[in-house]
Amino acid sequence: GAGVSQSPRYKVAKRGQDVALRCDPISGHVSLFWYQQALGQGPEFLTYFQNEAQLDKSGLPSDRFFAERPEGSVSTLKIQRTQQEDSAVYLCASSLEGFGTQYFGPGTRLLVL
Amino acid sequence: GIQVEQSPPDLILQEGANSTLRCNFSDSVNNLQWFHQNPWGQLINLFYIPSGTKQNGRLSATTVATERYSLLYISSSQTTDSGVYFCAVEGNSGNTPLVFGKGTRLSVIA
Repeated sequence: GAGVSQSPRYKVAKRGQDVALRCDPISGHVSLFWYQQALGQGPEFLTYFQNEAQLDKSGLPSDRFFAERPEGSVSTLKIQRTQQEDSAVYLCASSLEGFGTQYFGPGTRLLVL
Repeated sequence: GIQVEQSPPDLILQEGANSTLRCNFSDSVNNLQWFHQNPWGQLINLFYIPSGTKQNGRLSATTVATERYSLLYISSSQTTDSGVYFCAVEGNSGNTPLVFGKGTRLSVIA
C-alpha cells in the first residue's frame, strides 16, 4: 500500500475489556514498531518486530500488553483487561530494514472509560 | 538510556516569519529523524539526518553529531506548518528503538 495503515482509528472501551489494534505496514518493510503516545507527550517505544520475530518488547508496560506479527506483515497489538491509564494514541511504524527511516501510521486513539 | 531535549517547548509565529527549533541529545546516535505531527495526529517524516545538512523546500536541518545537537529551520512559515515538531534519535549501542523528545508546539498565525 501507499503507507502504513491502522485500524480502528478510534476505540472506546470499558475498563476491563480486551482490545485489539491492527497495523498494516508498508509492503515489503521488514521492520515494524509499536509506540504509545500519551496526551502532550512524544511517542514511547513499546515493541519491535523484524519479519515475524519479536526482537524487543522491553517497552511493553505490563503483561496485559501483547503483540504479534505471525506472517511477518500485519501486526496486532492486544491489550487485555484495559485500564484507564491505557488511554493513549497507539502508533505503528515500519521501516525497510533494521532501524532505518521509520514511517508512521495515523494511529489508533484508545479511550478507556 | 539516551535523553532527548527539544526547545523551545512552544512557539508562536506570524505567517512569513522564520524559526529555528533545537534538539539536544545525550549520546552518540545512529539515526536522527525530524517529524511533524499535524493537528490530526499524523506523524510526517521531515528528515532522516544523523549528520550533515539537508534541505527540502522551506525546511532545512543540520545535525552536528560531535556536539550532539540538531537544528530544524523553517523559513517563510505558513499556517499549515502548525503542529508539533518531534526530534527522535536511535542510540548507536546496537539495535535500539527511537527515543523521542517532548516536541516543540508551533502555532503560525495569519
